[in-house]
Amino acid sequence: KNQVEQSPQSLIILEGKNCTLQCNYTVSPFSNLRWYKQDTGRGPVSLTIMTFSENTKSNGRYTATLDADTKQSSLHITASQLSDSASYICVVPRGTTDKLIFGTGTRLQVFP
Amino acid sequence: DAGVIQSPRHEVTEMGQEVTLRCKPISGHDYLFWYRQTMMRGLELLIYFNNNVPIDDSGMPEDRFSAKMPNASFSTLKIQPSEPRDSAVYFCASSLGLAGGPYEQYFGPGTRLTVT
Repeated sequence: KNQVEQSPQSLIILEGKNCTLQCNYTVSPFSNLRWYKQDTGRGPVSLTIMTFSENTKSNGRYTATLDADTKQSSLHITASQLSDSASYICVVPRGTTDKLIFGTGTRLQVFP
Repeated sequence: DAGVIQSPRHEVTEMGQEVTLRCKPISGHDYLFWYRQTMMRGLELLIYFNNNVPIDDSGMPEDRFSAKMPNASFSTLKIQPSEPRDSAVYFCASSLGLAGGPYEQYFGPGTRLTVT
């Protein structure tokens, strides 16, 4: 079954601290993996797209890793800011189709 | 570019009423998607279009839901009659190509629908 699972479900950290979010997928065939950030009351916004051959990709303070062998990805946030408070969703398209399989997300709260 | 535009942003209606959600994709994007987001089920694809033609509507919950794309710059999602379980946030997204391409999907701000 094509699934995307994320952990933890929620996370609370202090401003300035680092954190890592996890994503495991069983989607097959695999073409790419995406991380989205969704602020409360807004639509998801893409942080990064990683293809099969990419192991690490950075977007500012966000660094995503991908291990296609173990079917795992992580999103590392460095020096967190209050504006990082949001839901982070891991998404994997099923093969070359347009069917995106969404994870349930990790709700991150950054406190001062 | 203004991004994907959706209207209305909020809709409150009574059970049994017809609801129409509207979307204007990013100019030049050939693909348009309608999603629904709930706390219980997360984000779900309802239907998507390529060059104004519906390609996959297998995610549409039932016959009460219908979607149209009369031209490249406008799409509607209609619910008739609406039911309380339809309460959710409905997102429209557009892209230049296939997600497996990989092409980015750009989401609109969403329409929060409440059916009482």
